[in-house]
Amino acid sequence: ETGVTQSPTHLIKTRGQQVTLRCSSQSGHNTVSWYQQALGQGPQFIFQYYREEENGRGNFPPRFSGLQFPNYSSELNVNALELDDSALYLCASSQGASGPQAQYFGPGTRLLVL
Amino acid sequence: DQQVKQNSPSLSVQEGRISILNCDYTNSMFDYFLWYKKYPAEGPTFLISISSIKDKNEDGRFTVFLNKSAKHLSLHIVPSQPGDSAVYFCAATPNSGGSNYKLTFGKGTLLTVNP
Repeated sequence: ETGVTQSPTHLIKTRGQQVTLRCSSQSGHNTVSWYQQALGQGPQFIFQYYREEENGRGNFPPRFSGLQFPNYSSELNVNALELDDSALYLCASSQGASGPQAQYFGPGTRLLVL
Repeated sequence: DQQVKQNSPSLSVQEGRISILNCDYTNSMFDYFLWYKKYPAEGPTFLISISSIKDKNEDGRFTVFLNKSAKHLSLHIVPSQPGDSAVYFCAATPNSGGSNYKLTFGKGTLLTVNP
């Protein structure tokens, strides 16, 4: 069984640019959640996708957007990058209503905005 | 406004002794609580959880205690082992029963278990 994978592992961008981060969910999982973990902070919920539809959103501006594909993999897009967007971006996959304990996290993508 | 607080950034214990990690929350809508462990360069890994209808849940060396009136939970690790050294995150969510789980995390506590 393949776990949750994320790409790329590291990324450097400059302010104002756009970035796309990718997440492959665990086999059989139809739900993907994205989190931002700034340095010294806990992960903060960005949004969740369930069966290709956005299923909840945290306190992030519209320049953070996402997609989920028919194979349940997902993308996180961030436009007009700001210095404060520098963080570890985590995705977690789960199987529908299997319970909050069943979210499996990927290793994350570390984004640095200069 | 931090809804989940882990007030100890770090904790150091001797191998074989008990580790106690604490977590406080402010949102009364939270009724399901989880602990995650995170090693460097890895994603958080689920450790143990507790529903608000219980006050204790045990899984091997790990026990979580919940005090709803105080809005406080703690994770006990007995006996502590060097491999337990990691960052521990407390997380909480309303348990809506559907697929919509938005975890709210604390800042984490770095546990170091010394041989």
